[in-house]
Amino acid sequence: DTGVSQNPRHKITKRGQNVTFRCDPISEHNRLYWYRQTLGQGPEFLTYFQNEAQLEKSRLLSDRFSAERPKGSFSTLEIQRTEQGDSAMYLCASSWDRYSYEQYFGPGTRLTVT
Amino acid sequence: GENVEQHPSTLSVQEGDSAVIKCTYSDSASNYFPWYKQELGKRPQLIIDIRSNVGEKKDQRIAVTLNKTAKHFSLHITETQPEDSAVYFCAAIPAVESNFGNEKLTFGTGTRLTIIP
Repeated sequence: DTGVSQNPRHKITKRGQNVTFRCDPISEHNRLYWYRQTLGQGPEFLTYFQNEAQLEKSRLLSDRFSAERPKGSFSTLEIQRTEQGDSAMYLCASSWDRYSYEQYFGPGTRLTVT
Repeated sequence: GENVEQHPSTLSVQEGDSAVIKCTYSDSASNYFPWYKQELGKRPQLIIDIRSNVGEKKDQRIAVTLNKTAKHFSLHITETQPEDSAVYFCAAIPAVESNFGNEKLTFGTGTRLTIIP
């Protein structure tokens, strides 16, 4: 499968715990995006990378959230001290480069905070 | 920032009939408008897109139209089939906000399309 992959697919955690998700973009895609999707809503932008550089963070991304893309390939999204409001589907997307526009999504990681 | 509104929120059509979903956007400088199909528990799948220099684009049973003056775009599905049942999202990329060109997508709230056999 050469599409975007994400792990784990599901994560259940207790409030206050830290969680980390991983995204592997389509090979050679320079741009990587993180979105969050809650039930009945469209995905909302969180942050994006051009290669290893994180170029923008949404106001939705509080200080408890951090994302990295250390070698310009896979990316990780960490949430510290999880809260019940963090329960959502976390989607990753990648695109070739600037002006290619087409973004291809991974299957997502569904986070449930109890 | 960009705001995208999508209507209707639910749509039921008889198999074989056509379905139309409409979206409006707020940023007149937006220049790229994709449509995604999301089946239950699956990833959003890009099904068609259109750029601001084009008024209409077709791909088999799916077409998208864009009216830049009115700032709205629509998805048209003809000869609907049961496998078309899903949630459809429109999206837009607002004007480039920096030299880095962040093509972040702003999504509508989705339309649940049900095809009645």
